[in-house]
Amino acid sequence: GAVVSQHPSRVICKSGTSVKIECRSLDFQATTMFWYRQFPKQSLMLMATSNEGSKATYEQGVEKDKFLINHASLTLSTLTVTSAHPEDSSFYICSVGGKYEQYFGPGTRLTVT
Amino acid sequence: DQQVKQNSPSLSVQEGRISILNCDYTNSMFDYFLWYKKYPAEGPTFLISISSIKDKNEDGRFTVFLNKSAKHLSLHIVPSQPGDSAVYFCAASNVQGGSEKLVFGKGTKLTVNP
Repeated sequence: GAVVSQHPSRVICKSGTSVKIECRSLDFQATTMFWYRQFPKQSLMLMATSNEGSKATYEQGVEKDKFLINHASLTLSTLTVTSAHPEDSSFYICSVGGKYEQYFGPGTRLTVT
Repeated sequence: DQQVKQNSPSLSVQEGRISILNCDYTNSMFDYFLWYKKYPAEGPTFLISISSIKDKNEDGRFTVFLNKSAKHLSLHIVPSQPGDSAVYFCAASNVQGGSEKLVFGKGTKLTVNP
């Protein structure tokens, strides 16, 4: 399957600052990448679908101005959490793939203090 | 509205015995189902999948059963090994509808005791 990396693996930031999370597809050219968020003891919730060269598609209830997604190349998508708040603390995971299978990155633990 | 449900948050079995993880779904448009395994602080890894045209798919120690009429699927692991201890997520998608989105259940934490 595809190899997906995320950077950083964990980050701590102060309220009001912005933090960028990178998702790289190392061996798979991904026109589409997915961003998920997982709360403790909760399922993975799809936040948005990142489309290479065009705007991301956000799920209902996800603020696009707060969670900025850029998919500038076939191997890189970034998620920027703007003006972070403690309630944004979570585990963020990206994936690449298609209809039949998705391959996930190792995730990024964000803690907002 | 939770479209994919895993009603058992945890399951504990003895090594060598069978583990059965259950998943129910409500959306009749789902036609493809997947099981993922996840360790803490890691991303999920794909285990096995099944299309709605089948009722069983087997891969080594892992077998997934699908009962479309009941909107129910299960993952059987036999024999269970301590290394199988992880959180297992059931996911569903509407492939024929052109969707690539996966809808996940909340997961079941499996503990296999030596």
